[in-house]
Amino acid sequence: AQSVAQPEDQVNVAEGNPLTVKCTYSVSGNPYLFWYVQYPNRGLQFLLKYITGDNLVKGSYGFEAEFNKSQTSFHLKKPSALVSDSALYFCAVRDGNNAGKSTFGDGTTLTVKP
Amino acid sequence: DTAVSQTPKYLVTQMGNDKSIKCEQNLGHDTMYWYKQDSKKFLKIMFSYNNKELIINETVPNRFSPKSPDKAHLNLHINSLELGDSAVYFCASSQGRVSSYEQYFGPGTRLTVT
Repeated sequence: AQSVAQPEDQVNVAEGNPLTVKCTYSVSGNPYLFWYVQYPNRGLQFLLKYITGDNLVKGSYGFEAEFNKSQTSFHLKKPSALVSDSALYFCAVRDGNNAGKSTFGDGTTLTVKP
Repeated sequence: DTAVSQTPKYLVTQMGNDKSIKCEQNLGHDTMYWYKQDSKKFLKIMFSYNNKELIINETVPNRFSPKSPDKAHLNLHINSLELGDSAVYFCASSQGRVSSYEQYFGPGTRLTVT
C-alpha cells in the first residue's frame, strides 16, 4: 500500500518570506511524486513532479521541491511567497513499478499575508 | 480552449434521483479518471479508464457507474442518490497510464443532494 502524509493542515507565511509545505510518502516501488495546487472553486493544477534524476525539481510559478529518499520526503518550497500563492496544496505519490493509482495527501492550506 | 471540461458545474437534486456527470478532454490523452472531493477537501480516486478500458475501480458503491464511449469522454452515472454523495466530483486525464504522467483536472461538478 502507498500513502502520503502532509503533516500541516495550514501554513501561514508573510509575503516575501520563504515557504515550505511538507510531504512524506510511503510506497513499495520507485516513488513518483507530484505537487498540485487548487485555488478556490477550481480544479487541481499540476505544479511539478519528481520521477528520477536531480533531487531538486523546479516547477510552475517559481515553486521547487526537493526529493529526499532517506527521509522519504518531498517538500515544496518557494524562496519568496506571494499573496497569490494562497491556495490548497496537494502532494501525490504513484508507484513507479506499477501503473496504478495516485494517492493524494489530505492537503495543506497555504495562506500568505501581505 | 478548455482542456478538461465537465458538465454540469453545479447539480442539485433530491435523494433517490439518478443523475449523470459528463467529462470531455481535448488533450489527446489516453487515460481518464474520476475523483471525489469531500467537504474536508480530501481527494479520493474512484475510477480510471485507459483507452475505454476500466483499469482502476476503487471501493465505490455500485450505484456509481462510469462509462467511457471513447478515450476523450468519461461519464459518471449515479443511481439512487444519497445525502452522502454530496461532494465535488473531478474528472482528470493523463497522457497514459504510466505512473510518470501528471494529471490534468477539470473544474469540478459540485453535487448537492437534498
